Amino acid sequence: ETGVTQTPRHLVMGMTNKKSLKCEQHLGHNAMYWYKQSAKKPLELMFVYSLEERVENNSVPSRFSPECPNSSHLFLHLHTLQPEDSALYLCASSQDRHAANEQFFGPGTRLTVL
Amino acid sequence: GQNIDQPTEMTATEGAIVQINCTYQTSGFNGLFWYQQHAGEAPTFLSYNVLDGLEEKGRFSSFLSRSKGYSYLLLKELQMKDSASYLCAVKKDTGFQKLVFGTGTRLLVSP
Repeated sequence: ETGVTQTPRHLVMGMTNKKSLKCEQHLGHNAMYWYKQSAKKPLELMFVYSLEERVENNSVPSRFSPECPNSSHLFLHLHTLQPEDSALYLCASSQDRHAANEQFFGPGTRLTVL
Repeated sequence: GQNIDQPTEMTATEGAIVQINCTYQTSGFNGLFWYQQHAGEAPTFLSYNVLDGLEEKGRFSSFLSRSKGYSYLLLKELQMKDSASYLCAVKKDTGFQKLVFGTGTRLLVSP
């Protein structure tokens, strides 16, 4: 496997369910990101981790809970979501959190909340 | 606050040249990225500008004017596979690399 992978690619869940999104990067990067992409809206940064430490929580509701057990893996735990949380959730990584390093994106998880 | 504006949609024909503009107003500006995103796929990196001027990479070029808060992406010799969304993203220096994205420009290339 190369690059940034995400599982599952598609997820349908009810508002009372608990689910987790997984991201894995095989690039040796030190920074990882979660973004939300809704229809007709810009990509929105949710969380940033650098060397497994959360450095940014962009005013995201507590029903989204990130976890970064090591520099290669990033999770997004979902609990009691709302229908408006339906979106494409993209994970990205970069060499580190500074400078001009480009971010490499995973293919995303298409989430539908019923 | 920050505003990043791009046209919502553009159309062009195969073999033509198209210019996608991006204007921005933001504090802490420290560079601008262009990404390409095909429907249902991940955004992929196209270019990065931090100094004024033109960066050329094959059929794609990107221009930046920091004083005008303006960038454009120029696509030459358009191919059908260039039909995609093109995302302008401003890098803000907040102690870590924070990208703020525009809504993207959907480009449709027709035969």
